[in-house]
Amino acid sequence: DAGVIQSPRHEVTEMGQEVTLRCKPISGHDYLFWYRQTMMRGLELLIYFNNNVPIDDSGMPEDRFSAKMPNASFSTLKIQPSEPRDSAVYFCASSTGTQRPPLHFGNGTRLTVT
Amino acid sequence: AQKITQTQPGMFVQEKEAVTLDCTYDTSDPSYGLFWYKQPSSGEMIFLIYQGSYDQQNATEGRYSLNFQKARKSANLVISASQLGDSAMYFCAMRDFNTDKLIFGTGTRLQVFP
Repeated sequence: DAGVIQSPRHEVTEMGQEVTLRCKPISGHDYLFWYRQTMMRGLELLIYFNNNVPIDDSGMPEDRFSAKMPNASFSTLKIQPSEPRDSAVYFCASSTGTQRPPLHFGNGTRLTVT
Repeated sequence: AQKITQTQPGMFVQEKEAVTLDCTYDTSDPSYGLFWYKQPSSGEMIFLIYQGSYDQQNATEGRYSLNFQKARKSANLVISASQLGDSAMYFCAMRDFNTDKLIFGTGTRLQVFP
């Protein structure tokens, strides 16, 4: 199994630009989570999906952030326009069902907004 | 609302000794799961151990064990026979089975010295 795949691994962009982060969950997993990790705030849950449907987006910081899951094998997190305070590591994670199965994390995308 | 608290920002332990990393949680839901993850300096999130709220026995996985005290709402991670490779950030997380939401504590940085 290839695991959760995120791209790009690193992204450097200028303030005001649009940024799109991509995630391919593990095949057969029906839950997908997006987290943001910073030194100040730790790991914050931004949004999660079940069967491609957004369940809770209360963690999305602002309207500048949006996430989609058009099919079971692909999700995007978009920031438009980006700001320096968006600099962080963004993780995607997936799992089968609920309860016992752990989340499997991708390697993260390190975003730097200058 | 769910809440996870890790009160130890940093811990030191000598190689081959045991160490306990603290985690307390708060939820009004009787059904939930507790997870511990390790994040080495390379950045990936590694699942270590799981405890369900209805599990009768404390979970164990090799050198990792979870000291689950439901009445106190604590789920401390015990690492026995520490190794230099155990140096990393450790995160406690809780999944509410009612919402499937999984949130993380702020983490504890463990350093193992020779």
